Amino acid sequence: AQSVTQLDSQVPVFEEAPVELRCNYSSSVSVYLFWYVQYPNQGLQLLLKYLSGSTLVKGINGFEAEFNKSQTSFHLRKPSVHISDTAEYFCAVGVTGGGNKLTFGTGTQLKVEL
Amino acid sequence: ETGVTQTPRHLVMGMTNKKSLKCEQHLGHNAMYWYKQSAKKPLELMFVYNFKEQTENNSVPSRFSPECPNSSHLFLHLHTLQPEDSALYLCASSQDREVVTQYFGPGTRLLVL
Repeated sequence: AQSVTQLDSQVPVFEEAPVELRCNYSSSVSVYLFWYVQYPNQGLQLLLKYLSGSTLVKGINGFEAEFNKSQTSFHLRKPSVHISDTAEYFCAVGVTGGGNKLTFGTGTQLKVEL
Repeated sequence: ETGVTQTPRHLVMGMTNKKSLKCEQHLGHNAMYWYKQSAKKPLELMFVYNFKEQTENNSVPSRFSPECPNSSHLFLHLHTLQPEDSALYLCASSQDREVVTQYFGPGTRLLVL
């Protein structure tokens, strides 16, 4: 079975600073990887996804992530954050032939401060 | 993602009540999912439907009863719930069970008293 680890439960950062949210996974088979964002009192919104191909994936709102197979990581980055990026971010993994069952991490709360 | 809607957005119920959560997707998808989101825990997959057929029941207690009358609608019928069932219930859809990208609704915040 696959698993996802988001080591940081909270990440405080000042506005316009860069940020990296970490995600590591474990799986014995090929994976698909996702980042979702959840704003207060809302559902999950897809930020970006890695299915195959280029390991650098660009998403909405200026976010990007890099799939690193050797490190089993899929860290999320943004070069300059805004107050509006304050939200909870979830990493998720699915496996080929897994019947579209996603395994989610416990989430990272990003708090952007002035 | 306005393609998936959920009603009600908030629900308070007693342990002896019966209520239903509704999910509707406007994306032309054929697979639908129920998740439970509790504080400080990863999202838990509850049920999966593909072309109206249930393909996954993740050991969910029988007090939760799903229904999928067509590919656009998904219900979660609730009865004799426990306080620990209080959570955010999220619905999601994907094109079908083989297409991995899932799109989520806004959720129903459930409080069981």
